[in-house]
Parts: sequence; C-alpha cells; structure tokens
Amino acid sequence: NAGVTQTPKFQVLKTGQSMTLQCAQDMNHEYMSWYRQDPGMGLRLIHYSVGAGITDQGEVPNGYNVSRSTTEDFPLRLLSAAPSQTSVYFCASSRTEKETQYFGPGTRLLVL
Amino acid sequence: AQSVAQPEDQVNVAEGNPLTVKCTYSVSGNPYLFWYVQYPNRGLQFLLKYITGDNLVKGSYGFEAEFNKSQTSFHLKKPSALVSDSALYFCAVISGGSYIPTFGRGTSLIVHP
Repeated sequence: NAGVTQTPKFQVLKTGQSMTLQCAQDMNHEYMSWYRQDPGMGLRLIHYSVGAGITDQGEVPNGYNVSRSTTEDFPLRLLSAAPSQTSVYFCASSRTEKETQYFGPGTRLLVL
Repeated sequence: AQSVAQPEDQVNVAEGNPLTVKCTYSVSGNPYLFWYVQYPNRGLQFLLKYITGDNLVKGSYGFEAEFNKSQTSFHLKKPSALVSDSALYFCAVISGGSYIPTFGRGTSLIVHP
C-alpha cells in the first residue's frame, strides 16, 4: 500500500516551459487535491476533484490545469512556468472532503 | 466564508513541559477541524480531528485538542513535550457546506532539550 505518490521529487524549469506533476493514490479515495506551500503562506489549494471526471478550482488556480480521468490519478499541469510558481507542491487524497487527507511527499519546483 | 488563524509563527518550549499550539476558526455552520504535522522535507501527516461529540479529542503521539465552540478555538496540546515533537503544525477547517478545506499558515514548534 503506497498511499499517495508524487513524481518528480524535484524539478527545475525555465520560464515559459510546461510540465506535468504526477499524483497517484491507491486507497480508492474520491477526493483529491493539489496544494502549494510557500513560506509564511501555509497551504493554498490550487485545484480539487470530488471524483473521476469532476474537477474544480481552488484558491490559486491561475496558470495550472488538472484532469481526473481515473480515480487513482490526478496530474497537475503547468502551462507556461513563471518564477512565481516556484514552490513546493503537495497532492492529497481523502474519502470525502470532510475526512482526513493523506498527503504525498511533495514536489519541489524551481522556475528560473 | 471560512477562515482559520494560527496566531503564533513559532512556539518554544522546554522538553518535559506542556505545550499548546493555538488555532481559532470562523465558519458558517458546524466546523470540521483538523490538526496536521509536517516534519522537514516531508508531506503533512494527520494528528487528530473534531467532527462532533466530545470536545476533547485525543490523537497520535500523545497530542490532544480541545474544541471550544464559544471561543471558536481548537488548540493543540500535549502534557509533556519531546524534542522529537519539533515540527511545523497546521490547523485546518472545513464547513459543512464547503468542498474546500482552509489551512492556517502553520506554527513552528521548537522543543529545547
């Protein structure tokens, strides 16, 4: 039972490049979400999904896209990377939005 | 709208002393409240939650939290701190009508030997 996995662990991008952060869970959770963590800002929700085929915006969605084609996977796409997107990104899953969230180990992204 | 505040960026406590990490919240309706801990270079880990029932909630690693509806608080406590408790602690809240939890900015707990 791997829980929530994220790849890559670390990535360096140049401004304007695109990339996809991968997230997968093996707990059959319906609710999945992406957060970014910045110093002094806590965790801010980027996008979330309440089930396969359903996604919605969180607090800071601009510059990011998501899709949920399966229950297990919830990739986050950066369309055109900007230095302001330098952050640590966490994926999380839970049975529902009201229950305990299980977090992945994070992806550290540096945009130059 | 919902919000959560962790008024202290950092809490310092000596090993063996009791510790408190503060959290206050604002929601419409009944709150679902959570505490998570983050160790360096790791993801967040669940500590405890309040949904309904007893106001004193017991969680992992000897931590507990008291739900106080009148003061809209959910402070995290531990009777005797350990150096290994040093970490970043996050309070989170979600209201009954929301799909989006709100996290506090986090409190860095430093336990001195």
